[in-house]
Amino acid sequence: SAVISQKPSRDICQRGTSLTIQCQVDSQVTMMFWYRQQPGQSLTLIATANQGSEATYESGFVIDKFPISRPNLTFSTLTVSNMSPEDSSIYLCSVEGWTVNTEAFFGQGTRLTVV
Amino acid sequence: AQSVSQHNHHVILSEAASLELGCNYSYGGTVNLFWYVQYPGQHLQLLLKYFSGDPLVKGIKGFEAEFIKSKFSFNLRKPSVQWSDTAEYFCAVNPFSGTYKYIFGTGTRLKVLA
Repeated sequence: SAVISQKPSRDICQRGTSLTIQCQVDSQVTMMFWYRQQPGQSLTLIATANQGSEATYESGFVIDKFPISRPNLTFSTLTVSNMSPEDSSIYLCSVEGWTVNTEAFFGQGTRLTVV
Repeated sequence: AQSVSQHNHHVILSEAASLELGCNYSYGGTVNLFWYVQYPGQHLQLLLKYFSGDPLVKGIKGFEAEFIKSKFSFNLRKPSVQWSDTAEYFCAVNPFSGTYKYIFGTGTRLKVLA
């Protein structure tokens, strides 16, 4: 399985500021995904980040709020911009499985609290 | 709207009791199905998955799930739970062939009493 490292693991931030979350994978992958898990809710896909192209955002998520970088095949960042308390969530990075009919892998998540 | 429903939000069981967690989805085409578990303070781990073939899927730690296409369901079962099964369980569906984009259910928090 892929080893996915996310940094930071948790943070407490002031409203109006921005936080950049890093996702590092121990092998090259084509597809990387960012999810959000709001308190008491399920995981929701924010965007797909493919190397060499702009991220593709899901309905309800926009680039100005959640800019994503994907500079190479092992790394991606998600920035949560101009934060408000409603952005308090766990943000997870996910990558594709190794072959067809394998599952995606998930990082341990970044727990963000906005005060 | 396309969705994944988990009907039980909180479940409390005694050790050795049987478990069944419901999962229904609303996609009409071919889907891949998953159950993930998240133990307190840990990341998501795959319990089991269904892509094709035998609709009764066996996973780790004694869990199994049955895919019933006519009911759009993928219920998770375990005959005898243990205290260590205390965790949150997520059903996930991949309705987008060729991608790894998942739609998750709302999760079920299971507490097993020793």
